[in-house]
Amino acid sequence: QVRLVESGGGLVKPGGSLRLSCAASGFPFNDYYMSWIRQAPGKGLEWIAYISSSTIYIKYADSVKGRFTISRDNAKNSLYLQMNSLRADDTAVYYCAKDRVAVTGLDALDVWGQGTTVTVSS
Amino acid sequence: DIVMTQSPDSLAVSLGERATISCRSSQNVFFTTTNKNYLAWYQQKPGQPPKLLIHWASTRFSGVPDRFSGSGSGTDFTLTISNLQAEDVAVYSCQQYFSIPWTFGQGTKVEIK
Repeated sequence: QVRLVESGGGLVKPGGSLRLSCAASGFPFNDYYMSWIRQAPGKGLEWIAYISSSTIYIKYADSVKGRFTISRDNAKNSLYLQMNSLRADDTAVYYCAKDRVAVTGLDALDVWGQGTTVTVSS
Repeated sequence: DIVMTQSPDSLAVSLGERATISCRSSQNVFFTTTNKNYLAWYQQKPGQPPKLLIHWASTRFSGVPDRFSGSGSGTDFTLTISNLQAEDVAVYSCQQYFSIPWTFGQGTKVEIK
């Protein structure tokens, strides 16, 4: 059974840091591009970063570039998102998701985790 | 960035009737080399993550009921839910994966009339 489980969310003060994790199981993790997507309360979905299977290709949305870092450990079947200099508008549910097809990096997202909530507030 | 605009923001449809949602992209998401539209549709129920319904604009994802269909090309796309069921109450979002940053529509809320 293909599964993604996020963890690491919580309450953090503005300017603080947080590291999210996404544990993958049920598929060859090291073959797939992985993404982080977030959803602010009552808002739509916002893609924020992806990383290729070999970590060669990494892309970010402008809204998080320079503050967030996506990484992965294929040996541990895990995806990470290091979030620094957090702001109130980073408050959201953060989802990890996998590409539908291995390797390409140009495909829909077919499996999503349940999400982890990040709240940035003083 | 490619802006995805959905219409309407919400609609109420009677059980068994058809729901039609439009999605327009600010740029063409059809890639001539692959002859594909890089457009997906997702369903999201309250408190749940999105679920993939349609990819390549018109290909139903595995396990998705055939009452869900996608159409369109270039910049104009449609998601149609035929014979609406109670379990189809959700927010539906389109997404382009043609160019980074991938972008989503604002979502369309489907309710039962």
